[in-house]
Amino acid sequence: DIVMTQSPLSLPVTPGEPASISCRSSQSLLHSNGYTYLSWYLQKPGQSPQLLIYLSSNRASGVPDRFSGSGSGTDFTLKVSRVEAEDVGVYYCMQALQSPITFGPGTKVDIK
Amino acid sequence: EVELVESGGGLVQPGGSLRLSCAASGFAFSKNWMTWVRQAPGKGLEWVASIKEDGSEKLHVDSVKDRFTISRDNAKNSLYLQMNSLRGEDTAVYYCVKSQYRACDYWGQGTLVTVSS
Repeated sequence: DIVMTQSPLSLPVTPGEPASISCRSSQSLLHSNGYTYLSWYLQKPGQSPQLLIYLSSNRASGVPDRFSGSGSGTDFTLKVSRVEAEDVGVYYCMQALQSPITFGPGTKVDIK
Repeated sequence: EVELVESGGGLVQPGGSLRLSCAASGFAFSKNWMTWVRQAPGKGLEWVASIKEDGSEKLHVDSVKDRFTISRDNAKNSLYLQMNSLRGEDTAVYYCVKSQYRACDYWGQGTLVTVSS
């Protein structure tokens, strides 16, 4: 199974400041078709998760452009250029290169 | 507008069975992989199972193989999860998820399954 790790696991943020979360996979997520099957999700308190980024760096529909995804192979990063109060919650990365699909443990983001 | 509405959750005794349903609308259901993801109380997300557009391919996490079965009815725009031999560790909120580009692009509100005597 592909193991996903995230750091940090807890991230206090200041509104208006940037924030960054790292995600690493135990093996490369690059498929032979050229796609990298890494996605990012935010689960706001009391809500279902929502997709932020797919295929490593593509913003999902309706996601503000302050969110960006980057990385390749086994190392990936989610960046928020200027954190807003509504961005608090738990962020997860997920790999779908192979079954079983696996999620990272989550990074809890809250306001300082 | 995409909508995924789960039903069928509830309290069940260990060893019992439940069938979860998901009613989908607002998109071409028969053209998308569909997935179940669960979240135990206070825990992270765990992939449970996925099914191909036409139902010809089904994938399950090892911990539920031989106990859970994912299925779909494209004529009814519905996704199902038959859960047998339920255990305490299956207690979780179960989310119905639409997949695209192997990402979970839409999630239902979830249905709670509690396994307890």
